[in-house]
Amino acid sequence: QLQLQESGPGLVKPSETLSLTCTVSGDSITSSRHYWGWARQSPGEALEWIGSIHYRGNTYYNPSLESRVTISVDTSKNQFFLEMRSMTVADTARYFCARLGGLAMRFDPWGPGILTTVSA
Amino acid sequence: DTQLTQSPSTLSASVGDRVTITCRASQTVSSNLNWYQQKPGKAPKVLIYAASSLEAGVPSRFSASGSGTEFTLTISSLQPEDFATYFCQQSYTLPYTFGRGTRLDVK
Repeated sequence: QLQLQESGPGLVKPSETLSLTCTVSGDSITSSRHYWGWARQSPGEALEWIGSIHYRGNTYYNPSLESRVTISVDTSKNQFFLEMRSMTVADTARYFCARLGGLAMRFDPWGPGILTTVSA
Repeated sequence: DTQLTQSPSTLSASVGDRVTITCRASQTVSSNLNWYQQKPGKAPKVLIYAASSLEAGVPSRFSASGSGTEFTLTISSLQPEDFATYFCQQSYTLPYTFGRGTRLDVK
């Protein structure tokens, strides 16, 4: 059964860089039919798609975050990563990783999410 | 960006009720519209994909329809486990966007 699990710091200082890892188990990240992506959910706000990557390296980012975000993949470890620079309080959110694919490019499944707080 | 507007934002209902949630897109998303259920502290779970296709394992009391800019999600007979937040998501144009959600709570 495919499972995704986020890992990384729960607390980041303003101006620092957030680095998150998503570990995929139960399927290979080298599936040609799927993308792997990140989304976040701030309290009281809509979910926000951050970006997605294909194992071959194709990446797509939300223009609102593109200047601060890099998504990468390590096929040998079956992991993909999120780096978000210049963090501010507004970036406090639960960050989810997910597989994207199929008809209508749905997000399925999702990891449980990791709450990251930006605070001095 | 394609904005998705859900209504109502909150819906109070009882077990056994039939409920309908609407998602309107600011521009066409064709049939590239998915519906998710999220319970507090949990990850979202896909219910419906491509506007009207039921995800495997999802009870048949969930159904959805629509295309273009207007979509609906219907739960035919609410069960206790259905009280949650529901939101829509479009994948027709980048960036992918989500609705703000409809919280379904007990009347």
